[in-house]
Amino acid sequence: QLHLQESGPGLVKPSETLSLICTVSGGSITSNTSFWGWIRQPPGKGLEWIGTVNYGGATYYNRSLGSRVTISIDTSKIQFSLKLTSVTAADTAIYYCARRMTGPGGWFDSWGRGILVTVSS
Amino acid sequence: IQLTQSPSSLSASVGDRVTITCRASQGTNTYLAWYQQKPGQAPKLLIYAASTLQSGVPSRFSGSGSGTDFTLTISSLQAEDFATYYCQQLGSYPLTFGGGTKVEIK
Repeated sequence: QLHLQESGPGLVKPSETLSLICTVSGGSITSNTSFWGWIRQPPGKGLEWIGTVNYGGATYYNRSLGSRVTISIDTSKIQFSLKLTSVTAADTAIYYCARRMTGPGGWFDSWGRGILVTVSS
Repeated sequence: IQLTQSPSSLSASVGDRVTITCRASQGTNTYLAWYQQKPGQAPKLLIYAASTLQSGVPSRFSGSGSGTDFTLTISSLQAEDFATYYCQQLGSYPLTFGGGTKVEIK
């Protein structure tokens, strides 16, 4: 069964870069039936899609985050990562990594447990 | 595409039939999913392609709709179903979620 695990610092200072890694196990990160994505949830609030990457490195981002976000994949390490630059308190959230099935309307069927990242000095 | 869920919260009893609606600002075909989230947990996929039940999800959950209007129905609410439910459209970027519906115990 597919398992995803987020890792990274739980505390980031304002204006710095948030960096998270998602490690995938129990399945292939190079499968052409899967995209890999990040979703976040501010404490007590709703869900926001951040972006998605496929095994070939093609990316799709939420334009609301402008040019601050970069998602990349390292197939040799069976990981994909998220970088969010110039963070503010508004970026404080639980960050989830998840698998998205490919094809029209592909859904997110497997999620990590999430990692809380707090932006504070 | 903006998704509006209603109600934002509801109180119900075990055994009740519960219906949650999700309205899209533009048509999204049947590219819609429903998720259940319990406190401290990641969202869990319940329904995809508007009406297809994810493997392992109890049959009391069902989804319907296409275009702009969608519905999640729980035919007989169980104690473990008290949670927050989100719809998500997957037809166009940016992918978006509804604001959530919190189902509480009456």
